[in-house]
Amino acid sequence: AQSVAQPEDQVNVAEGNPLTVKCTYSVSGNPYLFWYVQYPNRGLQFLLKYITGDNLVKGSYGFEAEFNKSQTSFHLKKPSALVSDSALYFCAVRDIFTGAGSYQLTFGKGTKLSVIP
Amino acid sequence: GAGVSQSPSNKVTEKGKDVELRCDPISGHTALYWYRQSLGQGLEFLIYFQGNSAPDKSGLPSDRFSAERTGGSVSTLTIQRTQQEDSAVYLCASSPTDYNEQFFGPGTRLTVL
Repeated sequence: AQSVAQPEDQVNVAEGNPLTVKCTYSVSGNPYLFWYVQYPNRGLQFLLKYITGDNLVKGSYGFEAEFNKSQTSFHLKKPSALVSDSALYFCAVRDIFTGAGSYQLTFGKGTKLSVIP
Repeated sequence: GAGVSQSPSNKVTEKGKDVELRCDPISGHTALYWYRQSLGQGLEFLIYFQGNSAPDKSGLPSDRFSAERTGGSVSTLTIQRTQQEDSAVYLCASSPTDYNEQFFGPGTRLTVL
């Protein structure tokens, strides 16, 4: 079974400050990890992914995430937050190991990011 | 190019009625997924199609839910005898292969009165 935890329902950060949105995961084998963002009344937009290779992954809009295997974490980060970054952020995982149900993504419950001007 | 499209964008129905939700994936994407997003919840996987293989229906919550994908392209999610707990946003996603990121449509907001 695979699972994702986003321990914070909401994160508030001042504009210009660095931001972190936390994600931890659990899979049987090796993970594929994803971050998506959802703006109000919109579908999910892909931000970045970790498949293999460098643990630091860079994505869209200046976001990056660091894969930490020992801590089973994949926290989303940005050095300087913008008001326009305010949205709902979802972490997702799937197991690389093929098997029944392995192609589906398992999503966290989402973290609402509010960037305060 | 065009992204994933879904129709209708909003659907209000009465309890007990059947509804059909449509998804038009990105051209050439072989994998198609349906998810459900309820208020305050994350995304719940419903069903997955890949090419001509048998779909993975493991996420369908009851036998009132079914989906088909015609010609490897357009997909329809059908909910029979709708219940109030079916109210949610239904999201469709497609991807070029099983190992790529998924591209999501804008969703259909279903309200069952």
